[in-house]
Amino acid sequence: QKEVEQNSGPLSVPEGAIASLNCTYSDRGSQSFFWYRQYSGKSPELIMFIYSNGDKEDGRFTAQLNKASQYVSLLIRDSQPSDSATYLCAPGAGSYQLTFGKGTKLSVIP
Amino acid sequence: DARVTQTPRDKVTEMGQEVTMRCQPILGHNTVFWYRQTMMQGLELLAYFRNRAPLDDSGMPKDRFSAEMPDATLATLKIQPSEPRDSAVYFCASALMNTEAFFGQGTRLTVV
Repeated sequence: QKEVEQNSGPLSVPEGAIASLNCTYSDRGSQSFFWYRQYSGKSPELIMFIYSNGDKEDGRFTAQLNKASQYVSLLIRDSQPSDSATYLCAPGAGSYQLTFGKGTKLSVIP
Repeated sequence: DARVTQTPRDKVTEMGQEVTMRCQPILGHNTVFWYRQTMMQGLELLAYFRNRAPLDDSGMPKDRFSAEMPDATLATLKIQPSEPRDSAVYFCASALMNTEAFFGQGTRLTVV
């Protein structure tokens, strides 16, 4: 059974700080990794994806992948109150079965 | 503006009734997912289709749930008979091959 583990939080950070969100997964066949953001009462939306080991940066967001450790993380620099949401990690298997973790709730305090 | 469309947005029904949720994937997308979201379980994958063929529905209670894609523009999720524990938000998402999945707005189901 494919498992995805995330710290449920809530994770509270002050405005302007770096928020660090972590995810571990059990399926070694996972090739692609997606981070989604979900605001309360809304549907999930993609903010980052990563396929290769190492770091991928997009604006204030950096995704980090370590396939050997089966670990993927998301860093949010200069956190803003508008970043307050639940962040969902989703490793994609070879057959593209997209399984989500339960998410980490982030609160950015002004 | 391409988007995944789900209907209805909200549904309140009595226990034992049949519920049908519909999803129109983004035109050209060949992969469709059905998810159920609750506070306790998070976002659970119920079933997914590739080119209209079901690839995995192991997350779905078989005795009461069924998912189909009658054609490339319509996916359905049926619950018969519905139970109070089925109350949740049901999301449909579509994707092209192994790229980003786009979510619909969801159907909020309440079974009383």
